[in-house]
Amino acid sequence: SQTIHQWPATLVQPVGSPLSLECTVEGTSNPNLYWYRQAAGRGLQLLFYSVGIGQISSEVPQNLSASRPQDRQFILSSKKLLLSDSGFYLCAWSVTLQQPQHFGDGTRLSIL
Amino acid sequence: GQQLNQSPQSMFIQEGEDVSMNCTSSSIFNTWLWYKQEPGEGPVLLIALYKAGELTSNGRLTAQFGITRKDSFLNISASIPSDVGIYFCAGQLGGAQKLVFGQGTRLTINP
Repeated sequence: SQTIHQWPATLVQPVGSPLSLECTVEGTSNPNLYWYRQAAGRGLQLLFYSVGIGQISSEVPQNLSASRPQDRQFILSSKKLLLSDSGFYLCAWSVTLQQPQHFGDGTRLSIL
Repeated sequence: GQQLNQSPQSMFIQEGEDVSMNCTSSSIFNTWLWYKQEPGEGPVLLIALYKAGELTSNGRLTAQFGITRKDSFLNISASIPSDVGIYFCAGQLGGAQKLVFGQGTRLTINP
């Protein structure tokens, strides 16, 4: 069966520091991959999605970037974190863009 | 852009009661999904609906895809403590369209 892993589970970073969050999927090939941010008590905002290696679509302009160096690996990065980057970051995958998305357990990012 | 209005925002009920929540949209969708999120975890898919009028059950959960394709509801029968969490609806127009999420319904159950 397919599984999705995100790490780290929690992260505390100072303002201006870089960021790298990683997501990997097992048990499937060529998945569609997604990064979401969830503010406290709020819904999910799509940040990036990818339909294949090296293919990244950005949904909102921001301080973050995404990369897909391997088929089942999706990375969320920033060169300099802002206070407003705090939040709960979720990675998800789907078989196709039309199929339901399945989420990882998220990374709680706190910026000090 | 597309928006989903999910209601109620929160519910406080007694164990054993039935629960009903819904999502409405100003746009039509081809797919409706319902997720549940527990604290510190990612959302888990509960039910997926693909056809207008479709009624689907998953244990004590029942969801329907509205005939107009602009709404969906989720019912939970005979609630138990483990039903606590935030329930999200999500709609998708189809093709390459992204998922649009509601703001969630926070369910609290008093034993």
